[in-house]
Amino acid sequence: QQQVKQSPQSLIVQKGGISIINCAYENTAFDYFPWYQQFPGKGPALLIAIRPDVSEKKEGRFTISFNKSAKQFSLHIMDSQPGDSATYFCAARTNAGKSTFGDGTTLTVKP
Amino acid sequence: KAGVTQTPRYLIKTRGQQVTLSCSPISGHRSVSWYQQTPGQGLQFLFEYFSETQRNKGNFPGRFSGRQFSNSRSEMNVSTLELGDSALYLCASSLDHGSEAFFGQGTRLTVV
Repeated sequence: QQQVKQSPQSLIVQKGGISIINCAYENTAFDYFPWYQQFPGKGPALLIAIRPDVSEKKEGRFTISFNKSAKQFSLHIMDSQPGDSATYFCAARTNAGKSTFGDGTTLTVKP
Repeated sequence: KAGVTQTPRYLIKTRGQQVTLSCSPISGHRSVSWYQQTPGQGLQFLFEYFSETQRNKGNFPGRFSGRQFSNSRSEMNVSTLELGDSALYLCASSLDHGSEAFFGQGTRLTVV
């Protein structure tokens, strides 16, 4: 059962544009929602995370928007740069510590 | 501070063999989680260890097992390897159960 659905599968954005990746979840036991960035040959690295008591969190060019009633959350990358080209994963974790990941989005930022 | 170290980085095994992968967490971290990453299935949670005890387990067959030592280092074992076990196996360490996770670079396992 796919508990975290991520879209789109791939995304191409021009340099300076906004990249938006969406995730939806089903399990209301999830209480922590991180986003990871993965470059080829590397493990995923935590980018930004949010808890459901907050509707938005911003760190630099990266923003998470969270809609608890719709069970959806999204990652916005402002002023996208070629160096942001990577695969992005959303995840959801229960308070028991069990994480479920989305299938990933391959982002390409064209110069 | 050294990051999460996984060894070996690459491994080729024959179907039917068994394999052991190693993970050294960040110093002071007591929780280690293992994931399988494949192009078709994405990142799948295998299990989590905290203070030498398995705390969580994913939906993998019993051929996949793990353990954690008193120094928090962890090993993962896969017995009777199948072609479908070919994947990148990632280890993540956390300070405590449920806190922010830091991933290693993974072990690329190829089963032929």
